[in-house]
Amino acid sequence: EAQVTQNPRYLITVTGKKLTVTCSQNMNHEYMSWYRQDPGLGLRQIYYSMNVEVTDKGDVPEGYKVSRKEKRNFPLILESPSPNQTSLYFCASSVWVAGELFFGEGSRLTVL
Amino acid sequence: DQQVKQNSPSLSVQEGRISILNCDYTNSMFDYFLWYKKYPAEGPTFLISISSIKDKNEDGRFTVFLNKSAKHLSLHIVPSQPGDSAVYFCAARGYGNKLVFGAGTILRVKS
Repeated sequence: EAQVTQNPRYLITVTGKKLTVTCSQNMNHEYMSWYRQDPGLGLRQIYYSMNVEVTDKGDVPEGYKVSRKEKRNFPLILESPSPNQTSLYFCASSVWVAGELFFGEGSRLTVL
Repeated sequence: DQQVKQNSPSLSVQEGRISILNCDYTNSMFDYFLWYKKYPAEGPTFLISISSIKDKNEDGRFTVFLNKSAKHLSLHIVPSQPGDSAVYFCAARGYGNKLVFGAGTILRVKS
C-alpha cells in the first residue's frame, strides 16, 4: 500500500530536549516536504527536498533541520524545541515538485 | 502576508444541495491550484487540481472553477453528502515550485 509514515504520532516533550520526527515514503517519490498546521494559519511549509542530498527552506524553517540521505526518508529535527513549536506536523511526498502531495497522518507535538 | 485566503472558516450545507468553497489569491504568478480534503486525525488528501491555463476542471461530483482576472477559485460539490464533511484546503503553486496553502474551510453537510 502506497503511504507516507510518520513517527511518533503524538509526543509531549520539554523545552530544549532534542527530538526527531521520522518520515518515510514507499512510492519512490523524489519530492518530500514538511508542513506544520496551526489554527487560522493553514499548512505552512518548513523544509522541502527535491532529491537525495538536496534540501531547501520553506516559509517557516527557523528552529528546524532536515536531512535527505536516502530517497525514502526525510526526518525533521528539532535541535532545541521551544513552546512555539507546539503544532501538528505533516510530512508529504510527490512524484514531481509541488504536485499532487501524499501526506502522512500527522505528528502532534507539544513542547512544555 | 497570506497569499492564499479562504475567508470562510466554516460552511454548513444540507445533504443533496451544492457546497461552494471559495479561495482568493494575491500572486498572479501562481500557475497551478489544488484542493485537499482533511478528516480529523488524518493527513490531507488530494481532491482536484486546475492549471492556470484552464478555467474549469471536473471530477465526478467535484468541480473547480478558476477566475484569473479576479484571482479567485472555487470548489463546487454537487450533490453534497455527509461524508464530504471535512476541512478543505486550497493551495497554489508559485515561485520556486512551493505550494502555498490557505487556512482551510470546515464543511459540515447535514443529513
